[in-house]
Amino acid sequence: AQKITQTQPGMFVQEKEAVTLDCTYDTSDPSYGLFWYKQPSSGEMIFLIYQGSYDQQNATEGRYSLNFQKARKSANLVISASQLGDSAMYFCAMRENDDYKLSFGAGTTVTVRA
Amino acid sequence: DAMVIQNPRYQVTQFGKPVTLSCSQTLNHNVMYWYQQKSSQAPKLLFHYYDKDFNNEADTPDNFQSRRPNTSFCFLDIRSPGLGDAAMYLCATSSGRGEQFFGPGTRLTVL
Repeated sequence: AQKITQTQPGMFVQEKEAVTLDCTYDTSDPSYGLFWYKQPSSGEMIFLIYQGSYDQQNATEGRYSLNFQKARKSANLVISASQLGDSAMYFCAMRENDDYKLSFGAGTTVTVRA
Repeated sequence: DAMVIQNPRYQVTQFGKPVTLSCSQTLNHNVMYWYQQKSSQAPKLLFHYYDKDFNNEADTPDNFQSRRPNTSFCFLDIRSPGLGDAAMYLCATSSGRGEQFFGPGTRLTVL
């Protein structure tokens, strides 16, 4: 069964606008971590933001925020004030309990238009 | 300030000719990972090391081997590359259950 689902293969957003990338997950472990990575066309995976399953507040890192809805098992990434440099592929990933491995979603390609 | 370094960035090899990709890290992390990523797909974990403890994914072909001679270095050996092995190979490290730090990747072309 798919552990991480990203339903948006591609999105377009106007520069300076906000964009929300959807991510739903499936786990029965009470302890897990959720991650978002950005992958520009150069190929490097860049860590953006982390949310732990026991964290009471939604994670924020600069222009990135994570809308964590535990009951719905969703962890959407919000990018505010989009910039041209935000054009990239974005992956949602999950680590379960004591595992050292990540399960990745299929990714969402974001294209920011000037 | 490079933390996870991969060499070379681009590698061209011939069908069936063994190739080795290298990864080094300055983070002193005890876990190192190798991923294969094909175009527009998610990274696929091939194997990972926790210190010297090697963990192979069940669906990783025997054609792929790995060595970790010390904490800093990890190698991916492809014994007989096929056309289907052309991909981006990503190395990553972590200190445990936190985020993984990725290198810039090696793009492998098989002729």
